[in-house]
Amino acid sequence: EPEVTQTPSHQVTQMGQEVILRCVPISNHLYFYWYRQILGQKVEFLVSFYNNEISEKSEIFDDQFSVERPDGSNFTLKIRSTKLEDSAMYFCASDNGEQFFGPGTRLTVL
Amino acid sequence: LAKTTQPISMDSYEGQEVNITCSHNNIATNDYITWYQQFPSQGPRFIIQGYKTKVTNEVASLFIPADRKSSTLSLPRVSLSDTAVYYCLVGETGGYNKLIFGAGTRLAVHP
Repeated sequence: EPEVTQTPSHQVTQMGQEVILRCVPISNHLYFYWYRQILGQKVEFLVSFYNNEISEKSEIFDDQFSVERPDGSNFTLKIRSTKLEDSAMYFCASDNGEQFFGPGTRLTVL
Repeated sequence: LAKTTQPISMDSYEGQEVNITCSHNNIATNDYITWYQQFPSQGPRFIIQGYKTKVTNEVASLFIPADRKSSTLSLPRVSLSDTAVYYCLVGETGGYNKLIFGAGTRLAVHP
């Protein structure tokens, strides 16, 4: 069964550093999303992406965040200058009428 | 998107049927009701979706009364591996829309 994959599974970084979280959506899906979940809290929508551009973003997705689909398979989330409060699980999802989530990347900012 | 209300937590035992009810009084005509399951340290997983009456798949059943102001997810004969958080989502989730998650219901299944 096709699945969404994410790398790395765990990323530890220092405050102020840039991180890139990677996702490989299910092939032939056209809509992609990033969500995050701070420990013990609910899953929060960050951004949706279609046709090589952002279709919607939340208030959380400020100027320090960016997304890119650099080639036909990868979908990345970049956090330019990480803050302590960016520590969370980040989930990628792809959509063909139903959203499939990846296993997540646990980001720890020290 | 309609606001949903569901119990914060539930406890059950292996082999029992579990029913989780979600209230969504402000559901709109175009809204579907979708349930997701999330295990610790994993992404949410689609369980079932319905619009009205009853929907059943290999995992669960979803009961929706005629007024659609609530819905009940039914898990038959739960096992320890059904311990998870269950989310009720209401909206035009026929696809291609962001998902708005609430706090969900934390189900603990005991031996």
